[in-house]
Amino acid sequence: AQRVTQPEKLLSVFKGAPVELKCNYSYSGSPELFWYVQYSRQRLQLLLRHISRESIKGFTADLNKGETSFHLKKPFAQEEDSAMYYCAPILSDYDNFNKFYFGSGTKLNVKP
Amino acid sequence: NAGVTQTPKFQVLKTGQSMTLQCAQDMNHEYMSWYRQDPGMGLRLIHYSVGAGITDQGEVPNGYNVSRSTTEDFPLRLLSAAPSQTSVYFCASSRGGWKNIQYFGAGTRLSVL
Repeated sequence: AQRVTQPEKLLSVFKGAPVELKCNYSYSGSPELFWYVQYSRQRLQLLLRHISRESIKGFTADLNKGETSFHLKKPFAQEEDSAMYYCAPILSDYDNFNKFYFGSGTKLNVKP
Repeated sequence: NAGVTQTPKFQVLKTGQSMTLQCAQDMNHEYMSWYRQDPGMGLRLIHYSVGAGITDQGEVPNGYNVSRSTTEDFPLRLLSAAPSQTSVYFCASSRGGWKNIQYFGAGTRLSVL
């Protein structure tokens, strides 16, 4: 069963436009949620985690338990935001490895 | 800072050959894991380790073996390579559990002919 869904494989926006990368998960409990990013020719790295309630590089993500979503948003996209983004929830209250999932990823392309 | 180092970067195998993908980290992290990345499927966990001498299976363990004799190293072995194992493999490590930041290696691109 699909535990985490990123419905868009590719998202293209113009520089300065708002961007929202969608992530939905299947879980009735309280998940830990992360967004990881992979820039071209760089390693996969943590972008942000919901528990920190932080904004990194202008990105924010809010957990919506009612909609079971954790969408990543940025009000004004920049060309350097072009990358592959992965939603990664831990669908457990404990460190259970078998429940750490990565979504299939969304490639964000910010056009000049 | 080396972080997580994976070798080799690229490898081509014939069906039935064996090989070991190497992963080493210099951050003294307890947790290490192996993922494979396939188009349209994201990253899937193969095996993981929570410390030296302790390993367990992830989501897609078949065809792969691991061992963890030291904190630093976590090799992934393919005993008899199959075309279905053509993928990009990533090693990751973290301190104190998966709720903490995972640090990834640069990846190994493997083709099995």
